[in-house]
Amino acid sequence: DVKVTQSSRYLVKRTGEKVFLECVQDMDHENMFWYRQDPGLGLRLIYFSYDVKMKEKGDIPEGYSVSREKKERFSLILESASTNQTSMYLCASSHTPGDSYEQYFGPGTRLTVT
Amino acid sequence: EDKVVQSPLSLVVHEGDTVTLNCSYEVTNFRSLLWYKQEKKAPTFLFMLTSSGIEKKSGRLSSILDKKELFSILNITATQTGDSAVYLCAVDYGGSQGNLIFGKGTKLSVKP
Repeated sequence: DVKVTQSSRYLVKRTGEKVFLECVQDMDHENMFWYRQDPGLGLRLIYFSYDVKMKEKGDIPEGYSVSREKKERFSLILESASTNQTSMYLCASSHTPGDSYEQYFGPGTRLTVT
Repeated sequence: EDKVVQSPLSLVVHEGDTVTLNCSYEVTNFRSLLWYKQEKKAPTFLFMLTSSGIEKKSGRLSSILDKKELFSILNITATQTGDSAVYLCAVDYGGSQGNLIFGKGTKLSVKP
């Protein structure tokens, strides 16, 4: 069964802290994605990675960085957390397509920055 | 600019009603349209549509795509309280990694 896991379901951090969100998939997928979801704004892409050590900016990369040292793991880093980064963070993975394909989502991490 | 627009943004119905959720899109390189259901946590996949006019069906849910008019609908018949969720529409706009643009979602509430 397809599985994407995220390291924490709920996280509370203080402004200025460095925050790591981890995502692991066991499907040998090439592509991994980080989204944030906010009420009224839907899902927005932060970063994605299509191979180990490769990364590309999504729509809202400011204030975030990512790391992909191993194929199965994709980390989202908030270098200095701010209150406007309070959100639900969703990780997803997908296989490199010949045609279109679906993304598999993790359970999400609800991050609160105080 | 590529975009996906869902309507309505929220909807309240009673059990047994039939609902239709709408998704329109403008993307430069359409490959497919996907529907997701999101309850308390992560979205779960419902349908992927690539061809116009071919209905996809799963139980009481069905969906169809119109590539000429650039929209899709998601129908739910005989709604149940368990159908209460946010329904997300996403379009694969053809990046090599199959990136998706999501609509803002339709929040469906089904009352007993």
